[in-house]
Amino acid sequence: QKEVEQNSGPLSVPEGAIASLNCTYSDRGSQSFFWYRQYSGKSPELIMFIYSNGDKEDGRFTAQLNKASQYVSLLIRDSQPSDSATYLCAVNPSTTSGTYKYIFGTGTRLKVLA
Amino acid sequence: EAQVTQNPRYLITVTGKKLTVTCSQNMNHEYMSWYRQDPGLGLRQIYYSMNVEVTDKGDVPEGYKVSRKEKRNFPLILESPSPNQTSLYFCASSLRAKNIQYFGAGTRLSVL
Repeated sequence: QKEVEQNSGPLSVPEGAIASLNCTYSDRGSQSFFWYRQYSGKSPELIMFIYSNGDKEDGRFTAQLNKASQYVSLLIRDSQPSDSATYLCAVNPSTTSGTYKYIFGTGTRLKVLA
Repeated sequence: EAQVTQNPRYLITVTGKKLTVTCSQNMNHEYMSWYRQDPGLGLRQIYYSMNVEVTDKGDVPEGYKVSRKEKRNFPLILESPSPNQTSLYFCASSLRAKNIQYFGAGTRLSVL
């Protein structure tokens, strides 16, 4: 089982719709969760981070964390063609593991159709 | 301007010829990290550093070395590059281990 799993997609949504991206992780003690957006050939850039259970909203983006079920999701409201990119989920594992590695999922490719 | 700077951006080399990719940040960040990105495999952490003189292995450290003699610099060294190290490499830094990472522009390496 991969430590951080994402559906590779592509996930296609029409312009103006809500895009829902999901990520599951295996380390139950994980503490920090991040969503990065990466355009083709570019470096990842942070979209959202979340540390506590529940929802966190920032503009059109909402991150949702459920530690009991070990998943984190990203909702993008009013999707725009410029949102078309690969979205990477990253998890900073628990410090009880004795390491401070970051684990990234392989990313979900989102296509917003105009 | 706050940034993470990697050099070179593109590099073509031959098997066995030692090379260094430099990474520098101007944000006084404690945590720095190197990743490689390959199609279908995503971003995989090579090495990370919690602070000066403190480094540790990520998931794919074989064939790589790092050093952290100064807080701002974190070079990645390939002592004897092989074709399977052909990849896109990213350096990243964050204030501390659990904080947001900021990425450099990337270095595309081809080993022939």
